[in-house]
Amino acid sequence: GAVVSQHPSRVICKSGTSVKIECRSLDFQATTMFWYRQFPKKSLMLMATSNEGSKATYEQGVEKDKFLINHASLTLSTLTVTSAHPEDSSFYICSASPSLDRGLGYTFGSGTRLTVV
Amino acid sequence: GESVGLHLPTLSVQEGDNSIINCAYSNSASDYFIWYKQESGKGPQFIIDIRSNVGEKKDQRIAVTLNKTAKHFSLHITETQPEDSAVYFCAATPASTSYGKLTFGQGTILTVHP
Repeated sequence: GAVVSQHPSRVICKSGTSVKIECRSLDFQATTMFWYRQFPKKSLMLMATSNEGSKATYEQGVEKDKFLINHASLTLSTLTVTSAHPEDSSFYICSASPSLDRGLGYTFGSGTRLTVV
Repeated sequence: GESVGLHLPTLSVQEGDNSIINCAYSNSASDYFIWYKQESGKGPQFIIDIRSNVGEKKDQRIAVTLNKTAKHFSLHITETQPEDSAVYFCAATPASTSYGKLTFGQGTILTVHP
């Protein structure tokens, strides 16, 4: 089945530093990947759509200069949280799908727990 | 815009009971509906999906039913087991949106008591 790998699973960083999170599709190519943010006991909030070879599309209210997305290949998208602050602490999750028609839905990565101290 | 919500935030059942979790959606253009299971500290896991041209879909102990008139879809778990305890999210997407742009419901915490 479709597998999406996300790394790291946990990261603690100091305020003002930047953190990069990787999302890889292991057994399929994904021209489009998605980045979500989830607060404790809350639902997933779509942050942006990552498009291979072009600029990401950000949802309203999401700062594109704060959350840099790069989708340089068909199997890798990265999310960089720049100049992180404690309010950026959250659970970040990526997703991708090989094909809607295959009925696999959308496969999610295992998530990255970011803590900014 | 699209909004998806759940009627009940928590559901407690006894092992062996059947469970039903409901989800309402607002956008009548939604044509693809998905249920996910999320365990603590993990990403959502795909459970089952259904398209708008189908009323019901089953996969072993799991089933999803869709009522387009009422604009809601339900997750059915038969003979619920303790390992089914998790947060369940519904999601929907209209055909007109960007591929994969899901809108998630708030989530229902399912607790199964042995």
